[in-house]
Amino acid sequence: DAKTTQPTSMDCAEGRAANLPCNHSTISGNEYVYWYRQIHSQGPQYIIHGLKNNETNEMASLIITEDRKSSTLILPHATLRDTAVYYCIVTHPRSGGSNYKLTFGKGTLLTVNP
Amino acid sequence: ETGVTQTPRHLVMGMTNKKSLKCEQHLGHNAMYWYKQSAKKPLELMFVYNFKEQTENNSVPSRFSPECPNSSHLFLHLHTLQPEDSALYLCASSQPGTSGRAGEQYFGPGTRLTVT
Repeated sequence: DAKTTQPTSMDCAEGRAANLPCNHSTISGNEYVYWYRQIHSQGPQYIIHGLKNNETNEMASLIITEDRKSSTLILPHATLRDTAVYYCIVTHPRSGGSNYKLTFGKGTLLTVNP
Repeated sequence: ETGVTQTPRHLVMGMTNKKSLKCEQHLGHNAMYWYKQSAKKPLELMFVYNFKEQTENNSVPSRFSPECPNSSHLFLHLHTLQPEDSALYLCASSQPGTSGRAGEQYFGPGTRLTVT
């Protein structure tokens, strides 16, 4: 799986957009970009994923560059409850297509300030 | 509420004890996972089950013994653990496939294990 690079930490003001970057310059053609987050002492939570196109759901938007070497997770109106570690993961189906192996790195600690 | 429950939420056990962690998913998924998260470390994948069959064991010591009696239930049997096994143990489920949705894993709240 392609390696990802994320900043260690970021701050955001409550109510403002939080833009979390991720570099994945060695991504291959069949690899998806996934974002998860983990609020302190809880299980990780799936946020969004994409392959080539930008994606949006009720939680966030995912912007993937045209060359797919980087992406940005956007939380449009951050709240205090969005304070968490955000993980960017790049992976592809294993042989047989049954599972995607998620390798969690250190992620970005996003702190939303009042 | 993610549809994945874990019991107990907290467990303290001695090194000579035998205990089991339980995970149940109500999402109709056919893949289940055990992860370990030690303090200040990233999540580590331990075991993967697809349709009740173990498909991955990431060199986990034999003192951890998983069991998957059906696609909805997953157990982790613990015996003769060491203090360094103290960690948050997380269960997750997903639906196998080849589309991107197969990478959507839904996690339980975890069991905080302390080995004394």
